[in-house]
Amino acid sequence: DMKVTQMPRYLIKRMGENVLLECGQDMSHETMYWYRQDPGLGLQLIYISYDVDSNSEGDIPKGYRVSRKKREHFSLILDSAKTNQTSVYFCASSLWGNERLFFGHGTKLSVL
Amino acid sequence: AQSVTQPDARVTVSEGASLQLRCKYSYSATPYLFWYVQYPRQGLQLLLKYYSGDPVVQGVNSFEAEFSKSNSSFHLQKASVHWSDSAVYFCALSPASSGSWQLIFGSGTQLTVMP
Repeated sequence: DMKVTQMPRYLIKRMGENVLLECGQDMSHETMYWYRQDPGLGLQLIYISYDVDSNSEGDIPKGYRVSRKKREHFSLILDSAKTNQTSVYFCASSLWGNERLFFGHGTKLSVL
Repeated sequence: AQSVTQPDARVTVSEGASLQLRCKYSYSATPYLFWYVQYPRQGLQLLLKYYSGDPVVQGVNSFEAEFSKSNSSFHLQKASVHWSDSAVYFCALSPASSGSWQLIFGSGTQLTVMP
């Protein structure tokens, strides 16, 4: 069953709190991504991971960091969350390059 | 710099009508191009992709898209829409020659199909 699972689906945090968004995939895909989606802006790439401990910044990495210690698991961490990080965050994975990305259902994060 | 423009934020059509969603790209060479669809409360799903060759590519659910290098466009089309096609559609570009696997997304087009 090809699936990308994101936890949690909804999250409310206060400004300054730390946030951990988790993503798992069951397809043994090498490449994984974190995007954020904001109205009118489409999806913006935060980080891309080519394999375990092989991560690269995307277009908007400031304020975020990632961790990939196992191929099937990719975490997004917000240290001291800010209100402008309120967004919907999507994790995705792909077997080879960007031929076809599989997306999770997203995590809606509200930072108050 | 590479970019993708979807000029129509919202499109409304009647069920059974034909559909065209527009996508324009900016890239110095021939890119890889994609259309993704996002149904409510779900992640994005790949509809179709273009790498090279025949400029008309077929996708799932009878969608097709036509690549035009002269117009820098990759418009999505469907001959007859169904109410279940209501969703947000994203055009995306991959700069093939850069070695990066990053996808650059447009801002999306919200499609509403009226019964």
